[in-house]
Amino acid sequence: EDQVTQSPEALRLQEGESSSLNCSYTVSGLRGLFWYRQDPGKGPEFLFTLYSAGEEKEKERLKATLTKKESFLHITAPKPEDSATYLCAVQAPGNTDKLIFGTGTRLQVFP
Amino acid sequence: NAGVTQTPKFQVLKTGQSMTLQCAQDMNHEYMSWYRQDPGMGLRLIHYSVGAGITDQGEVPNGYNVSRSTTEDFPLRLLSAAPSQTSVYFCASRSGGSEKLFFGSGTQLSVL
Repeated sequence: EDQVTQSPEALRLQEGESSSLNCSYTVSGLRGLFWYRQDPGKGPEFLFTLYSAGEEKEKERLKATLTKKESFLHITAPKPEDSATYLCAVQAPGNTDKLIFGTGTRLQVFP
Repeated sequence: NAGVTQTPKFQVLKTGQSMTLQCAQDMNHEYMSWYRQDPGMGLRLIHYSVGAGITDQGEVPNGYNVSRSTTEDFPLRLLSAAPSQTSVYFCASRSGGSEKLFFGSGTQLSVL
């Protein structure tokens, strides 16, 4: 069964304390893996797309990496404004219109 | 550009009532979709459309209807609301040449 699992469920960091979020997936023939950020009471906001193992994307304090079984979202020197839920999703095999989402990691960064 | 606009933001229904969740986008996107988000579960695709007049089922389509008469609008209809449909509903859109989904701010629906 195609599945996306994110860990940890929740993460509390002090400002400046770097860490990584994990997204492991089981899907036959990955076409694309996506990271979204979701603030409370709002819809998800696109961050990155990764397509092949070894690929990396960066945006400000965030860096996403991809292997054949998992993706990591590295957060370097986080700030309180990075607090949000981070969602991972993969494209369903054979249908680029369908995304399979993980349950997310709720990140809190406190001063 | 307003992006993706969803109305209403909050709605309470009684079991058996019907209603329509509205979704409109002003980016001329071909693709539109509806997701529901429940605690402890990932976003799940309900229905989607790749263009006006074309719709298809997602992962959890039962109890919902959609139509796409214009590029801009993609309403989601609940035919006979059930408590299991209590959820937060998100509409999303993207252009045909991009994988980047733009989401609306959601509709929180409670069915009593």
